[in-house]
Amino acid sequence: KAGVTQTPRYLIKTRGQQVTLSCSPISGHRSVSWYQQTPGQGLQFLFEYFSETQRNKGNFPGRFSGRQFSNSRSEMNVSTLELGDSALYLCASSQNYGTGGAWKFGPGTRLTVL
Amino acid sequence: EDQVTQSPEALRLQEGESSSLNCSYTVSGLRGLFWYRQDPGKGPEFLFTLYSAGEEKEKERLKATLTKKESFLHITAPKPEDSATYLCAVQAGKRGSQGNLIFGKGTKLSVKP
Repeated sequence: KAGVTQTPRYLIKTRGQQVTLSCSPISGHRSVSWYQQTPGQGLQFLFEYFSETQRNKGNFPGRFSGRQFSNSRSEMNVSTLELGDSALYLCASSQNYGTGGAWKFGPGTRLTVL
Repeated sequence: EDQVTQSPEALRLQEGESSSLNCSYTVSGLRGLFWYRQDPGKGPEFLFTLYSAGEEKEKERLKATLTKKESFLHITAPKPEDSATYLCAVQAGKRGSQGNLIFGKGTKLSVKP
């Protein structure tokens, strides 16, 4: 069974630009969540989607947004990039909804903002 | 405020030298506690889920245990390939969601041959 896939794997942008990252969950998984990982803050929750609806959101500014499509694939967008947005962005999927259970992570997208 | 603290931050072991990693947590409505392994440049790899105090899970040289306030990851006779950062996370109990994970900062384990 294929794991969570994320594209692109690496991205370099400049301040003020915007970026879109993509995530394809494990087949049959309908819940998708996004995390930001930095050396200083560790892994921090961005948002969670199920059935094309955002179900939960972390403490990030409105420049961070996301969506989920009918096939459970998800995208996240960051507008007006800042240097501090440089991080590893991780997508995770779960076959459950509302009952807890394991999240399986993808390899991440490494975003560098210059 | 929900919080997860892992200790030690770094641990260096000789091959075959058993030890334990600690994860202490405070969370309202614990739905699960998770252990992940993360290698450099990769996403976290799922290891275990624990749901209630007293529960134990084992996988090869790893054994995870859970109490009401903390979890331990015991590593028996580690090998160099066990070197990685081990992450602990609790699943918060927000209604109407699958539950986001609150991560600790991790323990970086190095096992020397």
